[in-house]
Amino acid sequence: DQQVKQNSPSLSVQEGRISILNCDYTNSMFDYFLWYKKYPAEGPTFLISISSIKDKNEDGRFTVFLNKSAKHLSLHIVPSQPGDSAVYFCAARADDKIIFGKGTRLHILP
Amino acid sequence: ETGVTQTPRHLVMGMTNKKSLKCEQHLGHNAMYWYKQSAKKPLELMFVYNFKEQTENNSVPSRFSPECPNSSHLFLHLHTLQPEDSALYLCASSQGQGVLVKLFFGSGTQLSVL
Repeated sequence: DQQVKQNSPSLSVQEGRISILNCDYTNSMFDYFLWYKKYPAEGPTFLISISSIKDKNEDGRFTVFLNKSAKHLSLHIVPSQPGDSAVYFCAARADDKIIFGKGTRLHILP
Repeated sequence: ETGVTQTPRHLVMGMTNKKSLKCEQHLGHNAMYWYKQSAKKPLELMFVYNFKEQTENNSVPSRFSPECPNSSHLFLHLHTLQPEDSALYLCASSQGQGVLVKLFFGSGTQLSVL
């Protein structure tokens, strides 16, 4: 049973617009949430994180929102740029383990 | 350059072969990990080493055998694999385990088992 779910395998967004990537989780013991970005032929790289005691964390064009009651988090990228085209993994931590979702492939259209 | 180097980048092996994947980190981290990424599946944690000691074995079949001779090097020895073991194998490292863990990944080894 997946504890971290990314239900959209892919997403296409026009350059300059907002990209919203969603993630749902089932384990209420998760205390930290992370987003990783992966380009083809490279390993995932850390993007942004949020503690379960917060509901928002912002870093430049990237903002992560956490809704604990809905067990939902989202990553907002604004404005979207061509270099943002990649696979984005949502991840969550509990008991010193990091559990990843399947990833969402983001395509930024010119 | 992520600071985590994996070799080889690609590997094709038969079910009776024995091969090893190598990972080296240049970040001074004390924890190292093996993850498996199969098509259309989440990244799956396989093994965790903290200060060279294995602290996690996530129910991985014995045909996968990890080795961590020091905090900078991690190996994954493979023998009598099955075609379903074909996947991208990712190594990662982190500074500490049990606090906020920010993983640094290598580029992975794409393994094909024939």
